[in-house]
Amino acid sequence: RKEVEQDPGPFNVPEGATVAFNCTYSNSASQSFFWYRQDCRKEPKLLMSVYSSGNEDGRFTAQLNRASQYISLLIRDSKLSDSATYLCVVNGGSGTYKYIFGTGTRLKVLA
Amino acid sequence: NAGVMQNPRHLVRRRGQEARLRCSPMKGHSHVYWYRQLPEEGLKFMVYLQKENIIDESGMPKERFSAEFPKEGPSILRIQQVVRGDSAAYFCASSPGQGFGQPQHFGDGTRLSIL
Repeated sequence: RKEVEQDPGPFNVPEGATVAFNCTYSNSASQSFFWYRQDCRKEPKLLMSVYSSGNEDGRFTAQLNRASQYISLLIRDSKLSDSATYLCVVNGGSGTYKYIFGTGTRLKVLA
Repeated sequence: NAGVMQNPRHLVRRRGQEARLRCSPMKGHSHVYWYRQLPEEGLKFMVYLQKENIIDESGMPKERFSAEFPKEGPSILRIQQVVRGDSAAYFCASSPGQGFGQPQHFGDGTRLSIL
């Protein structure tokens, strides 16, 4: 089992749609969780951290389910500019600062 | 620009040559991480350094690859006797400290091509 698993997609959605991605992780000792986006093989950019209580940043909502070991990202009112690959990132476990990246989920928002 | 600076952006080497990739962390950041991304694959952790110390190099190949982060100057990822399989994008990231929950900020990457 991969340490961090994501559905590679692609997810093709119309503008204005709501889309959700899930990510599962294998190490129950992981403590830090993030969503990054990566455009066309450019550098990953931090989208948001994921907190236990769930958190929202504008059109983006992140949730963490420790019992089931998954993280989700919800994007509301999709924009063309949201087209990118979304990377789920988890730290490697207690006492380590190594971050494990998922292979990413591709999103394409269509006009 | 106070972001993570990597250079060169593109590097071309012939098989057997050496490649040196440089990374200057964000101002105030003392923790540096190197990742490799092969075509159509995700980012793979290579090494984590603090000033003058390698903290975790579990993702780095045992041969030909080395990394350093000297007291003065940028972090260097060095690949000796490069082979075609080393062609990839190499990203450097930095973070301000050791606390959990510290996100990493990435540089633009170095695209290494081996002829």
